[in-house]
Amino acid sequence: DIQMTQSPSSLSASVGDRVTLSCRASQSISNFVNWFQLKPGEAPKLLIYAASISQTGVPSRFTGSGSGTDFTLTITSLQPEDFATYYCQQNYGVPFTFGPGTKLDIK
Amino acid sequence: QVQLVQSGAEVKKPGASLKVSCKASGYAFSDYYMYWMRQAPGQGLEWMGWVNPNNGATKYAQNFQGRVTMTRDTSISTAYMELTNLKSDDTAVYYCTRYYFDSSGYFRFDFWGQGTRVSVSS
Repeated sequence: DIQMTQSPSSLSASVGDRVTLSCRASQSISNFVNWFQLKPGEAPKLLIYAASISQTGVPSRFTGSGSGTDFTLTITSLQPEDFATYYCQQNYGVPFTFGPGTKLDIK
Repeated sequence: QVQLVQSGAEVKKPGASLKVSCKASGYAFSDYYMYWMRQAPGQGLEWMGWVNPNNGATKYAQNFQGRVTMTRDTSISTAYMELTNLKSDDTAVYYCTRYYFDSSGYFRFDFWGQGTRVSVSS
């Protein structure tokens, strides 16, 4: 199975900050990475697919980049509603696997 | 608009069975696979399997083989996930999610249900 790791596991930031979340795959997966935002009690939300394509309706402050094994999700100018847990997920190989998540909370 | 609405929270005893429903609306239900995922407390997301609403074909993750059954009822655009012989480790939030693809050629889980919280305890 392809293992996905994320760093940091948690991050404290302030409204207005720019943050970068990292995700690494255990083997090259081209650009087959998606990013999700999870908040307790809510449906998970797809932010980015194919490493860098924004899902319809996602604010432009969310951008994704990377290919091969290393990927990043950048959030510019953090908003209060952005404090959540973020997961990367690969759909290059079956089974599809998720990273362990990065919890972003308010400093 | 696309919506996936799941059944409500459940409390089960070890050894019992669970059946979660996921009602889809806003799109052609038979056109896209439905996947089921779960997230145990403090853990990440785990893929459980999928059902093809068009023909009922299924594929299950190895961890759940023999205990999970995924079905669908196209007449009411609803997918189901049944898990038997529940253990305390099955305590989790269970999600259904649509596996979408378009002309871009990229597949993704674009819409998710709100989650069904399941607690297994004696």
